[in-house]
Amino acid sequence: NAGVTQTPKFQVLKTGQSMTLQCAQDMNHEYMSWYRQDPGMGLRLIHYSVGAGITDQGEVPNGYNVSRSTTEDFPLRLLSAAPSQTSVYFCASSSTGTDFLGGYTFGSGTRLTVV
Amino acid sequence: DQQVKQNSPSLSVQEGRISILNCDYTNSMFDYFLWYKKYPAEGPTFLISISSIKDKNEDGRFTVFLNKSAKHLSLHIVPSQPGDSAVYFCAASASYNNNDMRFGAGTRLTVKP
Repeated sequence: NAGVTQTPKFQVLKTGQSMTLQCAQDMNHEYMSWYRQDPGMGLRLIHYSVGAGITDQGEVPNGYNVSRSTTEDFPLRLLSAAPSQTSVYFCASSSTGTDFLGGYTFGSGTRLTVV
Repeated sequence: DQQVKQNSPSLSVQEGRISILNCDYTNSMFDYFLWYKKYPAEGPTFLISISSIKDKNEDGRFTVFLNKSAKHLSLHIVPSQPGDSAVYFCAASASYNNNDMRFGAGTRLTVKP
């Protein structure tokens, strides 16, 4: 019962470095998304995908790229890390349609620090 | 532009008493409302939801109330237990396809034994 798996759990980057945050789910969910959580801000949507090959931007997409080549995986790429991207990142998934009111399943998060 | 607001960063209640967590929203297009609970070092977990066609939804000790005219919802926990101590996030969405959910900043609930 893995659910949503995020790796790594912690990461420290230097300004300008790039990296990929991994997210995988084993529930055959169509919908996957990335959020960042900052103090006093709640969770803000970065990018989302409604199925393999389909992605779109959320509230705060700048500085991030995503792709969805399979149903299971939804990696988030930081192209050139900046201190403003220091945050906790959560990946989430859900079925679309009638299961929506059942909410998202979240991963346990990646704490990223950019120095 | 925070469309979903939780104005109380923290709440402390005694075990056995009622906990009431509040949430206000500004977007009148929101039709689906959810509450999530988050423990430290874990991701949020879904708790309870309500659609705008209802004004109340109950699940065991948890009840969510929705007042659409006031753009306000609340989560009641009765009776509160120490294991309920966590951060609670309110979330809202206008669409049935999940791509526009907005979250509040969270309220940290502490239930004292």
